[in-house]
Amino acid sequence: AQTVTQSQPEMSVQEAETVTLSCTYDTSESDYYLFWYKQPPSRQMILVIRQEAYKQQNATENRFSVNFQKAAKSFSLKISDSQLGDAAMYFCAYRRAGANSKLTFGKGITLSVRP
Amino acid sequence: NAGVTQTPKFRVLKTGQSMTLLCAQDMNHEYMYWYRQDPGMGLRLIHYSVGEGTTAKGEVPDGYNVSRLKKQNFLLGLESAAPSQTSVYFCASSSHRAAQGTYGYTFGSGTRLTVV
Repeated sequence: AQTVTQSQPEMSVQEAETVTLSCTYDTSESDYYLFWYKQPPSRQMILVIRQEAYKQQNATENRFSVNFQKAAKSFSLKISDSQLGDAAMYFCAYRRAGANSKLTFGKGITLSVRP
Repeated sequence: NAGVTQTPKFRVLKTGQSMTLLCAQDMNHEYMYWYRQDPGMGLRLIHYSVGEGTTAKGEVPDGYNVSRLKKQNFLLGLESAAPSQTSVYFCASSSHRAAQGTYGYTFGSGTRLTVV
């Protein structure tokens, strides 16, 4: 079974600085997708960024980028120019390619942003 | 442009009571899911459905039942609530056209359930 590990339960960053959230996963599949979700205090789950395993290029969405290391099964999220609104819980998630596949989540990391 | 709607948003139950959580989506998605979120545990899959009239067990199905009588609705039932079912419940949906997993899910806003 696939597992997703987020080993750091909490992190803190100074406003305007850069922070990296770590995620590792375990799978025997070669074709899959990885995601980072943000959950602010409103509880809403918001998709931040996704990465296709077959793509070597790291995904980027504005201030959010990933460092995808397929051989190491590592998928970290970098947040640049951190803003107060980035404070939230962040979940890493995995989904294998193909029909009937389901998202498997890590335990999440709580990010706080210091003004 | 409602997306995925969950009702109710909050509920307090006494041990042994029953209730049904309703999830409705207006995106014509084939796949629907129920997750529970507990502190330090992330989101864990309870049950899911790949189409109208079909359901399947996820990672933590015990104590829950589901039904998908209509494509747009996915109901989660607790027949005899227990304090261990105190949690935040999320419904999600995804399109069969994204069956390759290209996209993530569309989530509802969650239901906070407390069993006393």
